[in-house]
Amino acid sequence: ETGVTQSPTHLIKTRGQQVTLRCSSQSGHNTVSWYQQALGQGPQFIFQYYREEENGRGNFPPRFSGLQFPNYSSELNVNALELDDSALYLCASSWGPGQGLHEQYFGPGTRLTVT
Amino acid sequence: GENVEQHPSTLSVQEGDSAVIKCTYSDSASNYFPWYKQELGKGPQLIIDIRSNVGEKKDQRIAVTLNKTAKHFSLHITETQPEDSAVYFCAANFGNEKLTFGTGTRLTIIP
Repeated sequence: ETGVTQSPTHLIKTRGQQVTLRCSSQSGHNTVSWYQQALGQGPQFIFQYYREEENGRGNFPPRFSGLQFPNYSSELNVNALELDDSALYLCASSWGPGQGLHEQYFGPGTRLTVT
Repeated sequence: GENVEQHPSTLSVQEGDSAVIKCTYSDSASNYFPWYKQELGKGPQLIIDIRSNVGEKKDQRIAVTLNKTAKHFSLHITETQPEDSAVYFCAANFGNEKLTFGTGTRLTIIP
């Protein structure tokens, strides 16, 4: 059984640029959630993808968008990068959604630095 | 609103002693409460979780208790070891798709 993988590990971008982060879900999981973790804080929910459609969104602006592919892998896209977007971006995979929330397993994250 | 409060923010315990971390949540409809351990440079690792139809759950040295009436839940680590040093996060679900996390507890085990 393979775990959640994310790429790249680290990324440095300039304010105003666009970035794409990638996530491969754990074997057997069909749902991917994305979180943003600022330094010294807990992860903040960005959105979730299930069956290639967005299934819930947190308090993030539309310049944060995503995709899910038929193999359940996912991308997070951020346009018009701002300095405050500097954070660790985490992907979590799970089975569901269904009644109640299923266990979410996190990848190692992508560290994004915006200068 | 959707809120999870976690205390303490830092905790130091002697190796072999017990550690307790407490969380409260705002939404009485929440029914799933996981705990994650995050080591430096890594993603959060699910260590134990509990659902609202259960009051306590144990897994070796780790236990979680849930009081739905008071809307709080706690993580208990017994016989602490140096490898337990990490940041621990509690979380609660708000809806079927979203976890809301606490602000974290930095646990340091003193050899």
